[in-house]
Amino acid sequence: QQPVQSPQAVILREGEDAVINCSSSKALYSVHWYRQKHGEAPVFLMILLKGGEQKGHEKISASFNEKKQQSSLYLTASQLSYSGTYFCGTELGGNQFYFGTGTSLTVIP
Amino acid sequence: EAQVTQNPRYLITVTGKKLTVTCSQNMNHEYMSWYRQDPGLGLRQIYYSMNVEVTDKGDVPEGYKVSRKEKRNFPLILESPSPNQTSLYFCASRGRRRNEKLFFGSGTQLSVL
Repeated sequence: QQPVQSPQAVILREGEDAVINCSSSKALYSVHWYRQKHGEAPVFLMILLKGGEQKGHEKISASFNEKKQQSSLYLTASQLSYSGTYFCGTELGGNQFYFGTGTSLTVIP
Repeated sequence: EAQVTQNPRYLITVTGKKLTVTCSQNMNHEYMSWYRQDPGLGLRQIYYSMNVEVTDKGDVPEGYKVSRKEKRNFPLILESPSPNQTSLYFCASRGRRRNEKLFFGSGTQLSVL
């Protein structure tokens, strides 16, 4: 029931773009995105609730395709501060929460 | 300041010695939950609680107990820790609506020798 994230890791140069995908085999009520620096608590980025919804946060945006049970996180013009591990989280019926295994993003100068 | 407070930040113990990790939130949140994080496995939910005296198992509840006697507190109890419970643990809370974000504590790094 754990969502599948891809890619597992990505290395970018400053200014480049990246896409992180999250897919689930179960019907989703919502998709959360969090970023975590090593050893620290995950930090909230955004929540998507409806099919096709797209939201933005600084130069980071995301989409949620409810029919395909997929979400994608888009990072544009990446900055050094974007480095970290990105997790998608999905909330199924009954308030159980499942996180993906994470995507490690490294931005280099 | 709205926050979730976990203690301790680091804990080293030995197999079989009961321990408790505390979690407290000051946002009057109904929903609280515990996760463990292991390399390559992401965050996995251990237990969650929708309200006082209401707790439910998450994905990996074996070897753990929780209690919710007060709305603000949600301690995680390991009655007989084993080395495979060595992990980074996070407590999180949110309001009653399912479209609200999770607020995470700063984490507890547990080592069981």
